[in-house]
Amino acid sequence: GAGVSQSPSNKVTEKGKDVELRCDPISGHTALYWYRQSLGQGLEFLIYFQGNSAPDKSGLPSDRFSAERTGGSVSTLTIQRTQQEDSAVYLCASSIGPDNEQFFGPGTRLTVL
Amino acid sequence: KQEVTQIPAALSVPEGENLVLNCSFTDSAIYNLQWFRQDPGKGLTSLLLIQSSQREQTSGRLNASLDKSSGRSTLYIAASQPGDSATYLCAVTSGTYKYIFGTGTRLKVLA
Repeated sequence: GAGVSQSPSNKVTEKGKDVELRCDPISGHTALYWYRQSLGQGLEFLIYFQGNSAPDKSGLPSDRFSAERTGGSVSTLTIQRTQQEDSAVYLCASSIGPDNEQFFGPGTRLTVL
Repeated sequence: KQEVTQIPAALSVPEGENLVLNCSFTDSAIYNLQWFRQDPGKGLTSLLLIQSSQREQTSGRLNASLDKSSGRSTLYIAASQPGDSATYLCAVTSGTYKYIFGTGTRLKVLA
C-alpha cells in the first residue's frame, strides 16, 4: 500500500479482555513505532522496532502490553486484561530507517468499557 | 529529559488572517523537528520536517522555522482558511529515533 495502515480502525472491548492491534508499515521501511494518544496525556512513545527486534520497549506502560513484528513488516500490539485507562488512540508509524521521517497510520481507537 | 511545549493551546481566528504557532523544546540537541496536523478522529498528517542543519522549510502557505540555540520553532500559516482548522503538533527527535511530541495547538479558522 501507499501508506501505513492500521486495523481495526475502532475497537470496543470489555474490561479484562485481550485485544490485538495491527499495523502494516510502508513497504521497505525497516523501522516501526507505536505511540499512544490518550485524552489529556498527549502523544507518547510506546515501542520501536528495527527489523523484527525491539531495541526500545521503554514506553510500554505495563507488562500487560506486548508487541511483535514478523518478517520485518507487520506488527501487532497486544494488550492483555484491558483496563479502562487503556482507552486511547494507538498510532503506528514507520520510517526507512531510524532518525528518518516517520509516516503515521490513521490509528486504532480503543475503548474499554 | 526533552520536553516540548506549544503555545497557544487553542486559537480562534477569522478567515484570511496570518498566524503563528509556537513550539519550544528544552534540549537543543535535536536531530529533526516535524510539524503535523491532526483532524478530529484522524491520524497525523506530516506538514513540514526541518533537519537540525536547516533553518526553515516552506510548503505552500506554510513556513516553519527552527532556532536550535533558543529551542524554538514557529509554524507560520498565511491567509488562513476554514480548512486549516485542526490540531497542530510539533515533535522532535534527539537522535534516539523516537518522537517527543508537544502538547498541540487547536486551531479554529472562522468563515
